[in-house]
Amino acid sequence: AQSVAQPEDQVNVAEGNPLTVKCTYSVSGNPYLFWYVQYPNRGLQFLLKYITGDNLVKGSYGFEAEFNKSQTSFHLKKPSALVSDSALYFCAVRDPMDSNYQLIWGAGTKLIIKP
Amino acid sequence: DTGVSQDPRHKITKRGQNVTFRCDPISEHNRLYWYRQTLGQGPEFLTYFQNEAQLEKSRLLSDRFSAERPKGSFSTLEIQRTEQGDSAMYLCATPGRTFHTGELFFGEGSRLTVL
Repeated sequence: AQSVAQPEDQVNVAEGNPLTVKCTYSVSGNPYLFWYVQYPNRGLQFLLKYITGDNLVKGSYGFEAEFNKSQTSFHLKKPSALVSDSALYFCAVRDPMDSNYQLIWGAGTKLIIKP
Repeated sequence: DTGVSQDPRHKITKRGQNVTFRCDPISEHNRLYWYRQTLGQGPEFLTYFQNEAQLEKSRLLSDRFSAERPKGSFSTLEIQRTEQGDSAMYLCATPGRTFHTGELFFGEGSRLTVL
């Protein structure tokens, strides 16, 4: 069965330190991979995507993500965390063969950046 | 601004009442998705439209739920005889310009509280 795992419910990072939010997936073929961020009482905002090409993709707000096919991972990273990065982060995957364009979602990781 | 407007942002209702949510994409997209999200969880797919046709419905969408997209532009999601378990954020989303890659752009959501 296709699935997305975000192994950490919560990640705590000090402001200015690098951050990593983990995502692994189980999807056949060559999936499309996405990260979204959600601030309290807001909708989900698209951050970045990996479709093909360079394994390191850059997105909004200084975030980047690294696709690792052998480890079936797509971890979200930022070199220097800001307090304003504190939010809920969701990883999502799409099977390109799915004609319904359905996204498979992780359960989310709460990122807390402490001053 | 994702170009997806949802109304109302918040709705408090008593159990047994009917509620209706509206989603207005600024630009007309062929596809329009409805998701439900409970606190601290990832989005759960409810249904989606291609133009005015409702192409897929999740088993989460009981017979108390109905969605329409009469002219292929705005969409409504109605919940009849609400139950406390219906309390959630209801999210509407449409694809971006590169819709074939599958990323979705979400509205701010309609939060439902059933007392």
